[in-house]
Amino acid sequence: QVQLMQSGAEVKKPGASVKVSCKAPGYTFTKYYMHWVRQAPGQGLEWMGIINPSDGTISYAQKLQGRVTMTRDTSTSTVYMELSSLRSEDTAVYYCAREARGRISYWFDPWGQGTLVTVSS
Amino acid sequence: DIQMTQSPSSLSASVGDRVTITCRASQSISTYLNWYQQKPGKAPELLIYAASSLQSGVPSRFSGSGSGTDFTLSISSLQPEDFATYYCQQSYSSPRTFGQGTKLDIK
Repeated sequence: QVQLMQSGAEVKKPGASVKVSCKAPGYTFTKYYMHWVRQAPGQGLEWMGIINPSDGTISYAQKLQGRVTMTRDTSTSTVYMELSSLRSEDTAVYYCAREARGRISYWFDPWGQGTLVTVSS
Repeated sequence: DIQMTQSPSSLSASVGDRVTITCRASQSISTYLNWYQQKPGKAPELLIYAASSLQSGVPSRFSGSGSGTDFTLSISSLQPEDFATYYCQQSYSSPRTFGQGTKLDIK
């Protein structure tokens, strides 16, 4: 069973950056797109962006453009999400999720366990 | 961006009840619609993909239907472990937008 393993919780000050990792062992890393989704406390799910691990092609949510960077390391089957200029509103649990593709839909499965990022002075 | 609207936002029900959650897309998304279940402190888990296909390991009391803009998630006989928050998501286009969630709790 495929499992995505994320890095541990982080506490950052406003204006700082955070980099969260998501390790994806147990399958051909370059065959599946990876997404990042975040969830602020008590709120719903917000899509942040997608990376193609095969060639590094990315697409980000418009509201995060300029502050988010997604990268990958094929040698370790790991994707990274870096968010800069942190503010209190970025306090959230950050998830990676693998996208499976079928004939008539795409879906997220599995998800990482989540990484809590707290932004506080 | 495609907007996803779920209703109701919250729902109280009893063990054994049948419940239905609806999700409406702001434009046609064919069957590019998925449902996830999330329990407190846990990551979301896939329940239904392609509008009506049951993910492996998910109990058959869960079912999904719909195409185009209107979709439903039904639970035929609620079990204690089903009390959670449910999200729909469209995968027709980017960004992959989610509904706002439906919190299902015990009456």
